[in-house]
Amino acid sequence: KAGVTQTPRYLIKTRGQQVTLSCSPISGHRSVSWYQQTPGQGLQFLFEYFSETQRNKGNFPGRFSGRQFSNSRSEMNVSTLELGDSALYLCASSPPTGSYEQYFGPGTRLTVT
Amino acid sequence: GENVEQHPSTLSVQEGDSAVIKCTYSDSASNYFPWYKQELGKRPQLIIDIRSNVGEKKDQRIAVTLNKTAKHFSLHITETQPEDSAVYFCAALSNDYKLSFGAGTTVTVRA
Repeated sequence: KAGVTQTPRYLIKTRGQQVTLSCSPISGHRSVSWYQQTPGQGLQFLFEYFSETQRNKGNFPGRFSGRQFSNSRSEMNVSTLELGDSALYLCASSPPTGSYEQYFGPGTRLTVT
Repeated sequence: GENVEQHPSTLSVQEGDSAVIKCTYSDSASNYFPWYKQELGKRPQLIIDIRSNVGEKKDQRIAVTLNKTAKHFSLHITETQPEDSAVYFCAALSNDYKLSFGAGTTVTVRA
């Protein structure tokens, strides 16, 4: 099976702009979670989607949003970018019910200037 | 919410020696505890996990132990090799599907 894929891999944006990141889970996986990874804060949970519904959300401002499509692909959006949003954004997908393993994509490296 | 603490933050071991990383969690309802290895510039890779109904699990040179009463779990790597050098993260999954990570341990295996 193909692994989790994320696009784009690298992105440079200016403060105030918005950005959309995409995640395609492993075939058959219905749960997608998003994380922000920074050197100072480690891996921080953003949100988790299952069957197009957000089941949980981390402690991030409303500028961070996401959605999931019927084919389980997910997108996250960050509006009004700030310098502090520069990070590696990782998504992870999980197998169907009964298994908790999360498999990570390669991440999108976002740089805000 | 869940709070996961991980120690030590850095660990340097001689090749062939053992490495131990310890984590504590706060939410007694957490029921799944994975460990991830992240090499420089790569994605986190699941290396071993344990569920709350199991006390110990082993996979070749890697083992994880869980003490539910004390709310702590540990990763043990035996006979360390240079390719074990990486950042290791512990995590705990609460019953609302939120995976909380420790801050990570940078392991360096000296040849």
